[in-house]
Amino acid sequence: DTAVSQTPKYLVTQMGNDKSIKCEQNLGHDTMYWYKQDSKKFLKIMFSYNNKELIINETVPNRFSPKSPDKAHLNLHINSLELGDSAVYFCASSQDRGSANYYGYTFGSGTRLTVV
Amino acid sequence: TQLLEQSPQFLSIQEGENLTVYCNSSSVFSSLQWYRQEPGEGPVLLVTVVTGGEVKKLKRLTFQFGDARKDSSLHITAAQPGDTGLYLCAVRMDSNYQLIWGAGTKLIIKP
Repeated sequence: DTAVSQTPKYLVTQMGNDKSIKCEQNLGHDTMYWYKQDSKKFLKIMFSYNNKELIINETVPNRFSPKSPDKAHLNLHINSLELGDSAVYFCASSQDRGSANYYGYTFGSGTRLTVV
Repeated sequence: TQLLEQSPQFLSIQEGENLTVYCNSSSVFSSLQWYRQEPGEGPVLLVTVVTGGEVKKLKRLTFQFGDARKDSSLHITAAQPGDTGLYLCAVRMDSNYQLIWGAGTKLIIKP
């Protein structure tokens, strides 16, 4: 199946731990993203990678770091987890060919991170 | 203030009723997208509208882009429980290709 897949689906961890969330897409897309969705369901962009180069880096804490070993993967590493990091994190990908050919983003199913 | 304002924030209606939700802005956009997000899943693209006044239909869903390309509406005819979800509108900033999201309309269709 062609898709964006992220693992794990659920992640419960203690404050201060370091964790990673993996994301892979087999759609041949140029760009991958990480989004955070808070309890009010608002989606906030965290990072995006285009051809292994960071092109968007919102003002997120530097405890969060994206790692892209190749065009099909964009992993999210989080150091020193805090209670406020609890949220659902979504990976997404897109193929940008200009406005006229913009087919939107394909999202993964999300990773629900709970920091206790 | 958010770039995109969606209304209503929450809507709960009976199966078979019609409804319209809105996505408004004071800015002009080259295109606008609607997504639906079901519980436990990521948003799924429903439609992209690019031309002022454009109307697109997806079965019982009708999407319209405002003439001035500042707003959009989504109309659902004879709503069904399967239409339940969070409906999100989004626009892409041509300057950096970043997608800007509305806060969404949570729709519940009761059997």
